[in-house]
Amino acid sequence: EIVMTQSPATLSVSPGERATLSCRASQSVSSNLAWYQQRPGQAPRLLIYGASTRATGIPARFSGSGSGTEFTLTISSLQSEDFAVYYCQQYNNWPPWTFGQGTKVEIK
Amino acid sequence: QLQLQESGPGLVKPSETLSLTCTVSGGSISSTDYHWGWIRQPPGKGLEWIGSIFYSGSTYYNPSLKSRVTISVDTSKNQFSLKLNSVTAADTAVYYCARHRTYFGSGTYYPYYFDYWGQGTLVTVSS
Repeated sequence: EIVMTQSPATLSVSPGERATLSCRASQSVSSNLAWYQQRPGQAPRLLIYGASTRATGIPARFSGSGSGTEFTLTISSLQSEDFAVYYCQQYNNWPPWTFGQGTKVEIK
Repeated sequence: QLQLQESGPGLVKPSETLSLTCTVSGGSISSTDYHWGWIRQPPGKGLEWIGSIFYSGSTYYNPSLKSRVTISVDTSKNQFSLKLNSVTAADTAVYYCARHRTYFGSGTYYPYYFDYWGQGTLVTVSS
């Protein structure tokens, strides 16, 4: 099973600033990585797939990068609606499809 | 617009079977572009994939839950269902159904990421 590790657990950022979230895989997942956003009380929403392709309707301030074992989600200028928990998920080696434990982006 | 809606009891007794159904509207469950999955999230914790099913009935299960899980599909009703038996308090979670985007290659369908999710339903295991 591939273990996904996200850091930091919590990120405190001021509105308008940049946020950088990390995700590491226990072995290479190539570019088979997705990112999700989960706002309080809501279901997760797909943001990024293929490590860097934005899903339909996702604003350009969200960008993904990386391959192999190291990945980054960048939010270029945080808006109020971006304060949420973010999860990465690998789909290179399965089953199981595995998620990271999440990074909470909170208001500084 | 695609919608997924979970339904089922919100309270299940220990050792009994948890049963949930996901109704898909705005799209066909019989599309070869998708599997259909169940994911759960214990209160305050992260996401755990439970299993996924293709319209043909072929399934993938999480090895950690495989001995207790059955997922089935009813294409005539555009629904798929989850059964988890011998539940304990550790199975208390919000259960989500989701569309599992699938790609075809080398004669096989490969489920990748989850592109649409239901709103989730909280199932509590308690006597």
